[in-house]
Amino acid sequence: EADIYQTPRYLVIGTGKKITLECSQTMGHDKMYWYQQDPGMELHLIHYSYGVNSTEKGDLSSESTVSRIRTEHFPLTLESARPSHTSQYLCASSELVSGQPQHFGDGTRLSIL
Amino acid sequence: SQQGEEDPQALSIQEGENATMNCSYKTSINNLQWYRQNSGRGLVHLILIRSNEREKHSGRLRVTLDTSKKSSSLLITASRAADTASYFCATDAGEDGNKLVFGAGTILRVKS
Repeated sequence: EADIYQTPRYLVIGTGKKITLECSQTMGHDKMYWYQQDPGMELHLIHYSYGVNSTEKGDLSSESTVSRIRTEHFPLTLESARPSHTSQYLCASSELVSGQPQHFGDGTRLSIL
Repeated sequence: SQQGEEDPQALSIQEGENATMNCSYKTSINNLQWYRQNSGRGLVHLILIRSNEREKHSGRLRVTLDTSKKSSSLLITASRAADTASYFCATDAGEDGNKLVFGAGTILRVKS
């Protein structure tokens, strides 16, 4: 299994709270990604990064923000959570070279009440 | 719009049988990848096939790619109960590489 970790695994929280989902990898990968996945549905890319100080928006518009201050760490933040943010969030990483597989964490299942 | 579309949406077979899943996509690609997702877990990479390859094997997995039809298939031979999972195809079509677009997946249930 890949060495990429997400915390928390599950989070149930009230509307309006600030949330940070953590993602860390120990493989030294330059590229990191955040996906949003509703149950039984496809993954949608919401953010990605090529390396330290690089962040890009993905294909699906998201109110979340990300930062990449260290290679191994790629946290995702929601400033004010809403019920529409309820979903599963998956973090992944890959080597910088093209054509490499992505390694995924086990995800954070987020429920906003 | 969705790049990869898979069929069937769900497949139920007996242990020992073969399972075939299909993926179609819309644009030219650099490579196509297949992933497995067990319930409540992240995705696990299974196999990558490049645009200039037609067939690839890995253990009990066989992947084919037909770029003229923009389609791929994943065959799992001699299925086991542990193969029960969702299977996703993902296409890499971008210039910067590694930016994947996922299909909706096929839910495979292998009955013992």
